[in-house]
Amino acid sequence: DIQMTQSPSAMSASVGDRVTITCRASQGISNYLAWFQQKPGKVPKRLIYAASSLQSGVPSRFSGSGSGTEFTLTISSLQPEDFATYYCLQHNSYPFTFGPGTKVDIK
Amino acid sequence: EVQLVESGGGLVQPGGSLRLSCAASGFTFSSYWMTWVRQAPGKGLEWVANINLDGSEKNYVDSVKGRFTISRDNAKNSLYLQMNSLRDEDTAVYYCARGGRMETWGRGTMVTVSS
Repeated sequence: DIQMTQSPSAMSASVGDRVTITCRASQGISNYLAWFQQKPGKVPKRLIYAASSLQSGVPSRFSGSGSGTEFTLTISSLQPEDFATYYCLQHNSYPFTFGPGTKVDIK
Repeated sequence: EVQLVESGGGLVQPGGSLRLSCAASGFTFSSYWMTWVRQAPGKGLEWVANINLDGSEKNYVDSVKGRFTISRDNAKNSLYLQMNSLRDEDTAVYYCARGGRMETWGRGTMVTVSS
């Protein structure tokens, strides 16, 4: 199975900060990676697919990059509504696997 | 508007069974792979299973193989998850999601396995 790791596991940031979250795969997954946002008590929401494609309706301050084994999710200017947990997902091979999550909270 | 509504969750004893359903609307159900994902209380997301358009291909995470069965009824726009031999560690919110890449999610249904 492909193992996904994320760093950091948690972080504190301020409104307006640039935030970068890294996701690493234990083997190459091309660009078969998605990013999800989950707010407390809410349903996960897909932000990015194919590593760098922005889901329709998602603000342009979110961006994704990477290929192979290393990927990043960047929030260019953190907004109050962005405080949440972020998960990466590999869908290159079965079983699909999520990263453990990165919790972004208010500094 | 795309809608996915899960049902069938509840409290069950270890070793018991439950059948989850997901009613889909607002899109052509038969044109999409469908997926089940779960989330244990206070934990992260875990991909459980997916199924192709006509139900001829099904994939599972190892921990549920032989116990869970994913299926679909395109005439009823519905997705199912039959869960047998349930264990404490199956306790979670179960979400259905549209697509193999999970672009839209339902609100989930809670399954609690406890004696």
